[in-house]
Amino acid sequence: DGGITQSPKYLFRKEGQNVTLSCEQNLNHDAMYWYRQDPGQGLRLIYYSQIVNDFQKGDIAEGYSVSREKKESFPLTVTSAQKNPTAFYLCASSIVQGGEQFFGPGTRLTVL
Amino acid sequence: RKEVEQDPGPFNVPEGATVAFNCTYSNSASQSFFWYRQDCRKEPKLLMSVYSSGNEDGRFTAQLNRASQYISLLIRDSKLSDSATYLCVVTYSGGYQKVTFGIGTKLQVIP
Repeated sequence: DGGITQSPKYLFRKEGQNVTLSCEQNLNHDAMYWYRQDPGQGLRLIYYSQIVNDFQKGDIAEGYSVSREKKESFPLTVTSAQKNPTAFYLCASSIVQGGEQFFGPGTRLTVL
Repeated sequence: RKEVEQDPGPFNVPEGATVAFNCTYSNSASQSFFWYRQDCRKEPKLLMSVYSSGNEDGRFTAQLNRASQYISLLIRDSKLSDSATYLCVVTYSGGYQKVTFGIGTKLQVIP
């Protein structure tokens, strides 16, 4: 089955710790994205990647970092510099940048 | 003005009713439009793309009005299972394909 997987589903971390969220897709999509969703708010773009070894900052990139070493994988690191990291994180991919996006099931991060 | 605006609702409608949502966008150069559905605490799922000529998929009809810069989603014969938040998505090319999500409109279908 083709799709996007994110792990873990729930993640708890202490304040000040970096944490890496996994995102893997087997759809052979070039573009991948990371979003953050807070209660009662829309999706906000953190980072996106149009192709392997390339990525760009989105609207709220501060305190986050990404890598795109393989087409299938686009991990997101939430660093200690992110002021308010508790949120629902969604990874998505599309055939090309700007196309229909398909989402993974998301990771709920809680920083204690 | 926000790039993409939606009425957050909630829209409470009885089963079997017809309900319509609008979504306005500010950038006249916007190129692609989509409606997504998001269930509570789940990921968004693509409902349908919105084409210039309008398109229909079963009980769902999407329309684009470029002159007034809005897209619409019409749901006929509402089912309980249609209860969800409906997200409007707009993309435009400004050196790269910028994708903007609306805040979503919450629909609650009541028995």
